[in-house]
Order: sequence, then structure tokens, then C-alpha cells
Amino acid sequence: DTEVTQTPKHLVMGMTNKKSLKCEQHMGHRAMYWYKQKAKKPPELMFVYSYEKLSINESVPSRFSPECPNSSLLNLHLHALQPEDSALYLCASSQKNWGGEQFFGPGTRLTVL
Amino acid sequence: QKEVEQNSGPLSVPEGAIASLNCTYSDRGSQSFFWYRQYSGKSPELIMFIYSNGDKEDGRFTAQLNKASQYVSLLIRDSQPSDSATYLCAVDGNNRLAFGKGNQVVVIP
Repeated sequence: DTEVTQTPKHLVMGMTNKKSLKCEQHMGHRAMYWYKQKAKKPPELMFVYSYEKLSINESVPSRFSPECPNSSLLNLHLHALQPEDSALYLCASSQKNWGGEQFFGPGTRLTVL
Repeated sequence: QKEVEQNSGPLSVPEGAIASLNCTYSDRGSQSFFWYRQYSGKSPELIMFIYSNGDKEDGRFTAQLNKASQYVSLLIRDSQPSDSATYLCAVDGNNRLAFGKGNQVVVIP
């Protein structure tokens, strides 16, 4: 199994909702990442799980909350999002804790109404 | 200066021709360089990575790295309509992967 899976594929939520995005990898990779990608822009790093700890991009609003239940799962909890948070949310993993190739999941297309 | 720059606009190439994409980076300490292909509405797919100066070939793709000049390029030989996509250059640095803005390639049958 050489893939990163993400659920759901699509999500529509209101600004008062709480939802979660899930990401799983079965490759025994040591690091996992959450990215946000707006249309015609490159991916922007939000969170990194490596060296068995979560690192946060300080520019990411607190309405996004990562959780790493174990080394193969990385969740992203969403609360009180804004319409400008609508984007493609990508999960990736890499074999090394840092450096090396990152492999992306198919993404979750999020729409905030 | 941006960390990773891909300055070329959309690139249109005839089917069967060579597509050439360039990328420059600012961090001289970068060690790893990647090219991702992204189809519209899909996630990025890693197609090439290169760590050493010189050329690396994989099928119709060739990555070229010149650390002294701080650039990395991607050549797509015998371009096919299925190569029409956005190509993202990525460079490791500051404990994260820095992406260029991407170059759109359109292969004309």
C-alpha cells in the first residue's frame, strides 16, 4: 500500500459547524503534513508531525486544530471557519522526519458557506 | 527575493516537442529538489526528485540541477496531451518544503 488516504473528498460546512478532516498513511512514514491550497496557488504548509511532535505554522488561525492519534493518522479539526477558508486541503507524508520526498493524498475540497 | 521562483508564464508546446521548465531558489543550503505535476482539481503528484548536481532521467522526464547557479529545471521529451498540467518546483529549506507558484503546460495535439 503506497498511498495516502483522505476523507471526506468533499465537505460543505457552515461557519458555525465543527467538522474534521482525516488523513491516513500505511507506508510507515515518519512525518505527516497538512497543506492548504487555493486555486492557482501553490500549497501552503499548515502543520507538520515529525520527530513525534506537532509543529504549527504560526500564521494558521486557531480555528484549525491538528491532532495526531498515532504515527499513521493525522486529523484536522475545523471550527468556526470563514468563507475564505474554502480551499483544497492536502495531507502528505514522508519517510524521513525531515527532507526527502513528500507524497500527497487526493485532498479534501472544503467549501465554507 | 522569493524562496523558489518559477517565472515563466503558461507554456504551450506542440505534441512531440520538448517542454522546458526552470526554477531558481534562494537558499544555498538546500539539498533536495522536487518536481510535482498537478492536474486541475487534483493533488500534486511527485514526478522527479534530484539531490546531486547534474542530470537525472526517468522515462520522458529529465531533471537538471546546478547548485552553483541555484537553479533546477525539468525537461519533458516527446510531450503528450496527458502532460498538460501545472508543474510545481519544490525545494527543502527552513524545515519545510518551499513551493514555486507553478508553471502551466499545455500540449497542443
